[in-house]
Amino acid sequence: DVKVTQSSRYLVKRTGEKVFLECVQDMDHENMFWYRQDPGLGLRLIYFSYDVKMKEKGDIPEGYSVSREKKERFSLILESASTNQTSMYLCASSLGFGDPGYGYTFGSGTRLTVV
Amino acid sequence: DQQVKQNSPSLSVQEGRISILNCDYTNSMFDYFLWYKKYPAEGPTFLISISSIKDKNEDGRFTVFLNKSAKHLSLHIVPSQPGDSAVYFCAATPRGGKLIFGQGTELSVKP
Repeated sequence: DVKVTQSSRYLVKRTGEKVFLECVQDMDHENMFWYRQDPGLGLRLIYFSYDVKMKEKGDIPEGYSVSREKKERFSLILESASTNQTSMYLCASSLGFGDPGYGYTFGSGTRLTVV
Repeated sequence: DQQVKQNSPSLSVQEGRISILNCDYTNSMFDYFLWYKKYPAEGPTFLISISSIKDKNEDGRFTVFLNKSAKHLSLHIVPSQPGDSAVYFCAATPRGGKLIFGQGTELSVKP
């Protein structure tokens, strides 16, 4: 069974800390994505990557950075955590863009609380 | 600018009845539409999709309808079951582009 695995289900961090969220996929997918989910706002794209070492900003990249050193791993970094970054973070991967067969496979999410 | 909109944040239906979830979009370049289902503390999972060359796609209890002239799609669940209670996201994509998600609709199916 193909999987996207997020390293932590729940995290509690202090304001100002540097936070790393890790995501690994075993499907040899080209594309990987980081979203956050907030009530009433849906899924908002933070960053995505279409190849190793390649990254592009999504809709809400401020306060975040990413790293993709290996094809299977995509990390989200909160440079200095703030309380407004308390959210559910979802990683996803896909084989291609825009092809009907290439939906996204999501991880189970990381619930991050910044105190 | 919200290109994909789900205007109903929540919907409550009785078990056995029909659930209808709606989604509107603004970009005429979208040519593929998907519905995802999300339980609490889990990631979204793919439910059903439809290409813009079709107006209906059916998979068991789930049917998606697409009205291109109105830029509107809907998901019908018949009959609704308590296990269908979840948040449903619609998503759209132009060919060669990324998925764009709506805000989600929380469906509650009461026994």
